[in-house]
Amino acid sequence: ELKVEQNPLFLSMQEGKNYTIYCNYSTTSDRLYWYRQDPGKSLESLFVLLSNGAVKQEGRLMASLDTKARLSTLHITAAVHDLSATYFCAVDHTGTASKLTFGTGTRLQVTL
Amino acid sequence: ETGVTQSPTHLIKTRGQQVTLRCSSQSGHNTVSWYQQALGQGPQFIFQYYREEENGRGNFPPRFSGLQFPNYSSELNVNALELDDSALYLCASSLGSTSYEQYFGPGTRLTVT
Repeated sequence: ELKVEQNPLFLSMQEGKNYTIYCNYSTTSDRLYWYRQDPGKSLESLFVLLSNGAVKQEGRLMASLDTKARLSTLHITAAVHDLSATYFCAVDHTGTASKLTFGTGTRLQVTL
Repeated sequence: ETGVTQSPTHLIKTRGQQVTLRCSSQSGHNTVSWYQQALGQGPQFIFQYYREEENGRGNFPPRFSGLQFPNYSSELNVNALELDDSALYLCASSLGSTSYEQYFGPGTRLTVT
């Protein structure tokens, strides 16, 4: 059974600081996704990582994938309050259907 | 091009009742996947419908069932509701059953009392 673990589960950081969220998964996967979710809202797609060594950046967020270590990271640079949200990684076991297995989420709180 | 829509936005049901949730896929998409997200947890895959057939199912009991219509919209039906069914239900549409581009709808918040 595929397991996806994120850490930390909760992160409180000051504006302007840098931090990294880690996502470990237990078996070989085809793709890895990062999503953002605001309270009571749906999922907003941030990144899709398709191959080993993939790195994607958007604004203050950068995601990377190491398929050999079964590890993805989401790095936050110079955090701002607007980044406060819950971040999920999800792993895809495609087969005949794309089925995402999500991590437990990391709740990020950026304080002034 | 319209995005993924879901209805209703919220609803409250009593334990033992039945509920139907609806999802309209993004224009041109032929695949709909359903997820359940309990409070404080990550979403869990329920099942996927591709060209009107169930095409993959997660670890959910048979009282969770679905349909996909010729226009590719979809329904999720839950019978004999239990308190633990209270959750945000999300649908995602894509073009093709294995596409990595999935677009999530706004969700339906179901409360079972």
